[in-house]
Amino acid sequence: QVQLQESGPGLVKPSETLSLTCTVSGGSISPSYWSWFRQPAGKGLEWIGRIDPPGDTVYNPSLKSRLTMSKEPSKNQISLKLTSVTAADTAVYYCARETEVPGQRWFDYWGHGTLVTVSS
Amino acid sequence: ERVMTQSPDTLSVSPGDRATLSCRASQSVSSGLAWYQQKPGRAPRLLIYSVSTRATGIPARFSGSGSGTEFTLTISSLQSEDFAIYYCQQYDNWPLTFGQGTRLEIK
Repeated sequence: QVQLQESGPGLVKPSETLSLTCTVSGGSISPSYWSWFRQPAGKGLEWIGRIDPPGDTVYNPSLKSRLTMSKEPSKNQISLKLTSVTAADTAVYYCARETEVPGQRWFDYWGHGTLVTVSS
Repeated sequence: ERVMTQSPDTLSVSPGDRATLSCRASQSVSSGLAWYQQKPGRAPRLLIYSVSTRATGIPARFSGSGSGTEFTLTISSLQSEDFAIYYCQQYDNWPLTFGQGTRLEIK
């Protein structure tokens, strides 16, 4: 059973960089596609971006200029960095695995989520 | 960007009754439509993909239908554990987008 666990600082100051890690257990990250999502309190879900097996990325245009996703196969981890954060970036951040069905982009495994608050 | 709009925002239904939730896309998403259930403090749970295919372990009382721009999630006989927020997600085009959610509450 694949399990995902997000981790990172729960508090980030405005204008600084938000850095999160998603650690995967129960399977290798290498053959799969991975996405990050976020959800402000009481609001809906926003897709942030995706990283594919070769390490290529697709980002949400609304975040693209501030976003970097990467992966560390030796640690079975996916990472997210979001620069120049503001209060609008305060949210629960989730990582998720995209289905292994080629060309389909729904998400069958999710982490529990981690709350990131942007505040001085 | 495909804008997804769900209706209603809140639906009040009695246990045992049927619930019908709607999702509309601003442009066709073909069959690239999934539904998720989310309970407070929990991650989303995949219910339906490709419009109408139930995910592994999802009870038969959940069904999906539609095509193009209009989609429906039906829960045939509501159980207590079904009261939650439901989101549709399109995956036909980048960026992936979600509806704003429908809160299903006990009447």
